[in-house]
Amino acid sequence: QLVLTQSPSASASLGASVKLTCTLSSGQSSYAIAWHQQQPEKGPRYLMKVNSDGSHNKGDGIPDRFSGSSSGTERYLTISSLQSEDEAAYYCQTWDTGIHVFGGGTKVTVL
Amino acid sequence: EVQLVESGGGLVQPGGSLRLSCAASGFSFRGYAMNWVRQAPGKGLEWVSYISSSSSTIYYADSVKGRFTISRDNAKNSLYLQMNSLRDEDTAMYYCARDRGVGAIDAFDIWGQGTMVTVSS
Repeated sequence: QLVLTQSPSASASLGASVKLTCTLSSGQSSYAIAWHQQQPEKGPRYLMKVNSDGSHNKGDGIPDRFSGSSSGTERYLTISSLQSEDEAAYYCQTWDTGIHVFGGGTKVTVL
Repeated sequence: EVQLVESGGGLVQPGGSLRLSCAASGFSFRGYAMNWVRQAPGKGLEWVSYISSSSSTIYYADSVKGRFTISRDNAKNSLYLQMNSLRDEDTAMYYCARDRGVGAIDAFDIWGQGTMVTVSS
C-alpha cells in the first residue's frame, strides 16, 4: 500500500526557514517523491523530485531557497528565507506501476 | 512557453456525462505520458488517470474505473477525459499534468490551470 503522510499545517516568520516532512510507508524507503506548491486559487506547480539518496531535480525557475533532502522513509522540503508568496499548500507525490499517490498536503503560513 | 490548458468543465446532473480536453503547447506532446488529477473543493489532490505517450498503457484510480476513459490525440497535441455516470463526489477541479518520465512513470512536472466540474441536480 502506497501511502504518503504529511502534517496538515506549518508556520514560520517572514525571512525564517521551514522544513516540511513527507513520510512514506515502511518498506518504501527506496521511493522517490516529488514536491508541488499550490498557491491560493491556483493550479499546482512542480518544485522538485527528491530521490532516496537525497539528490533532487528542481523544476525550471524554482529559487535556490527551496531544497530537498531524504532520510529513511522521510522526504523533506526546506524553504529558506521565507517570502510572503511562499504561503501555500505543499503536496508530496509518489508513484509505482499503475498508480500515483499524493499526500494530504501541508498548509504553510508565513507569520 | 510550455503550457497545458484544460477546457470542457461545467455543471452536469448526476448520471450525466462530460468530456474534458487538455491542449498542450511548447513541448513535444507525443513524447510524454500524461495524467488527469482532480481536487474537490477544499480538499487535496487525487490522481485520476494515466496514459502513456503511445496510448498503449492506461491506468485509472479505483474511484473512476469503469466510468471514466482517458485518451489522447498526438496529432492534435491533446489529452481527453470522457466522464460518464457522474456522481456528486466527482465534483472537483480537474487538472491535466505531464509525467516527466521517459519510458517509466515519474513525477508530474507541468500542470494546467484546471477546469471545474460540478455534479448537481
